[in-house]
Amino acid sequence: KNEVEQSPQNLTAQEGEFITINCSYSVGISALHWLQQHPGGGIVSLFMLSSGKKKHGRLIATINIQEKHSSLHITASHPRDSAVYICAVTPGNQFYFGTGTSLTVIP
Amino acid sequence: DGGITQSPKYLFRKEGQNVTLSCEQNLNHDAMYWYRQDPGQGLRLIYYSQIVNDFQKGDIAEGYSVSREKKESFPLTVTSAQKNPTAFYLCASSTGTLSYNEQFFGPGTRLTVL
Repeated sequence: KNEVEQSPQNLTAQEGEFITINCSYSVGISALHWLQQHPGGGIVSLFMLSSGKKKHGRLIATINIQEKHSSLHITASHPRDSAVYICAVTPGNQFYFGTGTSLTVIP
Repeated sequence: DGGITQSPKYLFRKEGQNVTLSCEQNLNHDAMYWYRQDPGQGLRLIYYSQIVNDFQKGDIAEGYSVSREKKESFPLTVTSAQKNPTAFYLCASSTGTLSYNEQFFGPGTRLTVL
């Protein structure tokens, strides 16, 4: 049983498309994080959310605590957005990770 | 330049040998973590340490050992007792509880046991 489920697992988009990646979780959390993993393996933190919505450039993250659901949106997608996007939730002292969504943006 | 370094990037070992993966951070973070990543699976926590000289087992600690003698360093030893050690290993750190702080990741070490 996985505490964090992401969908879709794989996503291919044309450059310029609007992209949505979904994350559902089953445990009580104090925060949800969206991470980006590049092909070389390095991971960077994109967002940390406990409520509402955050925006950074072309990336938008939302969370609905009651429904235990979060979405990551990418507007005007670009080939450099190609990466694996990982949702992680935390009750405070450790993460529970989703398996990731592999995004490929085609020029 | 603050960050987390892991070395080496690629590591090959023969079956039955212990191997130690290095993780160093100069971010002055109290908490450090080791994760394992396998294809098609989410990251899984091996060990974590919230303070020097103290560490706790994660979900998959069997066959691994760690030490935290200095704030900056959190080496992971993959012992011969680990049944399937070939994987990508990521080290991370944070200033404190993950409820309010983001986690910073190192570049990872890809371990292949032959």
